[in-house]
Amino acid sequence: AQSVSQHNHHVILSEAASLELGCNYSYGGTVNLFWYVQYPGQHLQLLLKYFSGDPLVKGIKGFEAEFIKSKFSFNLRKPSVQWSDTAEYFCAVTSNTGFQKLVFGTGTRLLVSP
Amino acid sequence: DVKVTQSSRYLVKRTGEKVFLECVQDMDHENMFWYRQDPGLGLRLIYFSYDVKMKEKGDIPEGYSVSREKKERFSLILESASTNQTSMYLCASSLSGRDRTDGYTFGSGTRLTVV
Repeated sequence: AQSVSQHNHHVILSEAASLELGCNYSYGGTVNLFWYVQYPGQHLQLLLKYFSGDPLVKGIKGFEAEFIKSKFSFNLRKPSVQWSDTAEYFCAVTSNTGFQKLVFGTGTRLLVSP
Repeated sequence: DVKVTQSSRYLVKRTGEKVFLECVQDMDHENMFWYRQDPGLGLRLIYFSYDVKMKEKGDIPEGYSVSREKKERFSLILESASTNQTSMYLCASSLSGRDRTDGYTFGSGTRLTVV
């Protein structure tokens, strides 16, 4: 079965620090990859997605992610975090069944201190 | 914007009760999904539906059933609620062909507590 690993469960950063959250997936075929964010008390929102083409994907709020096929990775980055980036971040990948099941990682809680 | 509405934000139910969680989307999406979200476990798929009256088991369907009588509505049913079903339940929908996905739109969630 397809799986997604997010190795960092909790990350604490100071404002203006750079962020990189790891995401690795297990499926070897064609993939669609996503990062979602959940701010405290809010619903999940799409940050960015990768289908094909340029492996460097830019999303909302200054986030970007790089798809590295050889490493089965899709790490999320932001050069300078803000206090408002405090949230839980989920990586997700489509399953290999042909339907649109997204398989999610376990999430990374980011706390940005002012 | 697509809206996915979950009827209750918070629910408290007793062990053994039959529980209905309702989800409605307003943009004619074919696909609808029910996940539960638990700390440290992320989101786990319970059931999904790609058409009216169609349903497929997800990764953790035990103790749950679903109903999709209309395209816009997808209900999750806990036949006999148990304390280990205390969780945040998230509904989502998507509009795409079978082999691609544009991601999901999520509802705000229903936090269910079973006592």
